[in-house]
Amino acid sequence: AQTVTQSQPEMSVQEAETVTLSCTYDTSESDYYLFWYKQPPSRQMILVIRQEAYKQQNATENRFSVNFQKAAKSFSLKISDSQLGDAAMYFCAYRSPLTGNQFYFGTGTSLTVIP
Amino acid sequence: DVKVTQSSRYLVKRTGEKVFLECVQDMDHENMFWYRQDPGLGLRLIYFSYDVKMKEKGDIPEGYSVSREKKERFSLILESASTNQTSMYLCASSLLRGPLLFGQGTRLTVV
Repeated sequence: AQTVTQSQPEMSVQEAETVTLSCTYDTSESDYYLFWYKQPPSRQMILVIRQEAYKQQNATENRFSVNFQKAAKSFSLKISDSQLGDAAMYFCAYRSPLTGNQFYFGTGTSLTVIP
Repeated sequence: DVKVTQSSRYLVKRTGEKVFLECVQDMDHENMFWYRQDPGLGLRLIYFSYDVKMKEKGDIPEGYSVSREKKERFSLILESASTNQTSMYLCASSLLRGPLLFGQGTRLTVV
């Protein structure tokens, strides 16, 4: 099975600064999807950004962008101009179109934003 | 506004009870999932369904069963609740190649 690793259990960032959360994954597939999810203390998990493996261009959504390195199997999330509302648990996820469409999640990174 | 709705945010049940967790989505998604979330363990897949009346075991199906009689509804059943099933349960749905969309979660405590 595919594995997803988030090596940073906790991170902190000063408000208005930039932070990068790391994610690596292990797969032998060439076609797959990657996602970052955010789970604020209110608990609902929401989608932050997605990346299709066949696309070379890194995805961007407002202040959120990814650095997708397919050969290195790395998928980091960059948050620019950090805001207090960015404080949350962030999960990296891999979706395989082959193995029953399952999703594989990392164990999460808890982000604290310091005012 | 499209959504996934879980029937309860908090539940307290007694050991040995049969527990039903309900999940409904209004997006006509084919796939539906039940996850369990515990601190330090991330999300673990219990069961998923890719069509009505179809189900597949995930990583931790023991002690659970599911039902999908209608496309929009996916129920998780704890046949005989035990204290080690105290957890956060997340329901999600997706299209065939899309992202997961999650419900608000159900915090289940078994006493």
